[in-house]
Amino acid sequence: DAGVTQSPTHLIKTRGQQVTLRCSPKSGHDTVSWYQQALGQGPQFIFQYYEEEERQRGNFPDRFSGHQFPNYSSELNVNALLLGDSALYLCASSPRTGVYEQYFGPGTRLTVT
Amino acid sequence: QKEVEQDPGPLSVPEGAIVSLNCTYSNSAFQYFMWYRQYSRKGPELLMYTYSSGNKEDGRFTAQVDKSSKYISLFIRDSQPSDSATYLCAMSSKTSYDKVIFGPGTSLSVIP
Repeated sequence: DAGVTQSPTHLIKTRGQQVTLRCSPKSGHDTVSWYQQALGQGPQFIFQYYEEEERQRGNFPDRFSGHQFPNYSSELNVNALLLGDSALYLCASSPRTGVYEQYFGPGTRLTVT
Repeated sequence: QKEVEQDPGPLSVPEGAIVSLNCTYSNSAFQYFMWYRQYSRKGPELLMYTYSSGNKEDGRFTAQVDKSSKYISLFIRDSQPSDSATYLCAMSSKTSYDKVIFGPGTSLSVIP
């Protein structure tokens, strides 16, 4: 079992650019959640996808959008990047039966210059 | 007031000590309580979860939930240097389709 995988590992972008991050969930999981983690802080919930629809959303602007594909993999898109978007972006997957059984990927470290 | 707060740390203990990590929360709708361990520059790793009030034990780890006080704890017995990490508490109110709210984390160092 490969667990949750994310790509790329690291990314450097310039202010105003757009970025797409990718996630493949753990085998048997159909729900994907995305989090932003600033240095020294806990993960902040961005949104959650199930059955290719956004089911829950945290307090993030519309510049943050996502997508889930029929194979349950997911993408996080961020438009008009700001310096403050620099963070570790984490993807987590869980089974339909329990979001409390959430497993995280290694994250994508995004640096905006 | 933040929804979930944790003891700020950092915490430094000698090897073999009993460690107590604590969180408080304000939302009485939370029913599921999780503890994660995060090593530097890695994703969080689920240690254990509990439902509602009570205790749950898994090896050297014991999770306690007191919903009446809105207070949860994680105890680590016989702490090891490999336990050195940041510990995150997290909570949700439903099983499915729910956001999980994390505390800010407590950094723990276990000194050999």
